[in-house]
Amino acid sequence: DAGVTQSPTHLIKTRGQQVTLRCSPKSGHDTVSWYQQALGQGPQFIFQYYEEEERQRGNFPDRFSGHQFPNYSSELNVNALLLGDSALYLCASSLGDRPEYFGPGTRLTVT
Amino acid sequence: GDSVTQMEGPVTLSEEAFLTINCTYTATGYPSLFWYVQYPGEGLQLLLKATKADDKGSNKGFEATYRKETTSFHLEKGSVQVSDSAVYFCALSGSGNTGKLIFGQGTTLQVKP
Repeated sequence: DAGVTQSPTHLIKTRGQQVTLRCSPKSGHDTVSWYQQALGQGPQFIFQYYEEEERQRGNFPDRFSGHQFPNYSSELNVNALLLGDSALYLCASSLGDRPEYFGPGTRLTVT
Repeated sequence: GDSVTQMEGPVTLSEEAFLTINCTYTATGYPSLFWYVQYPGEGLQLLLKATKADDKGSNKGFEATYRKETTSFHLEKGSVQVSDSAVYFCALSGSGNTGKLIFGQGTTLQVKP
């Protein structure tokens, strides 16, 4: 079992650009959540997807959007990147409510 | 709103020392409580959890007891190893909540041989 996988591992973008991050949940899991972890901080909840719909959302602007596919994989899109969007983006999956399995994350650097 | 507060780090201990990392929370109702560990360059791993008052979560020698009267969930280990060096996060998931985790700021533990 590969667990939760995320791609890419690292990427560098310029302010104003758009980025798409990808996540494949652990086998058998149907719920995917996304978190942003700034350097030296705890993760902050962005949103959660279940049955291809956004079920819950944290305090993030509309520049952050997502999608879940029929195979339960998910994408996180961020538009009009700001320097402050530089962070580790974590994907977590679960079967049911509470995510317990996190991926290794995607390190996004905005210059 | 709900929140989690952890003791400030970094915490530096010698191998075989006793570890305590304090965690307190603010939440309505009956949250579930978690400890996650993050090793350098990696994502988060669930270390242990407790879902109701007086429950004790345990794993790999680590323990934490859900204390509703003091709204605490302190992490303890009797004898730390160098391999325990990592960042530890306390987190909660609110009652009736569909999975959103609220994390503390993390506590860095460094264990020296």
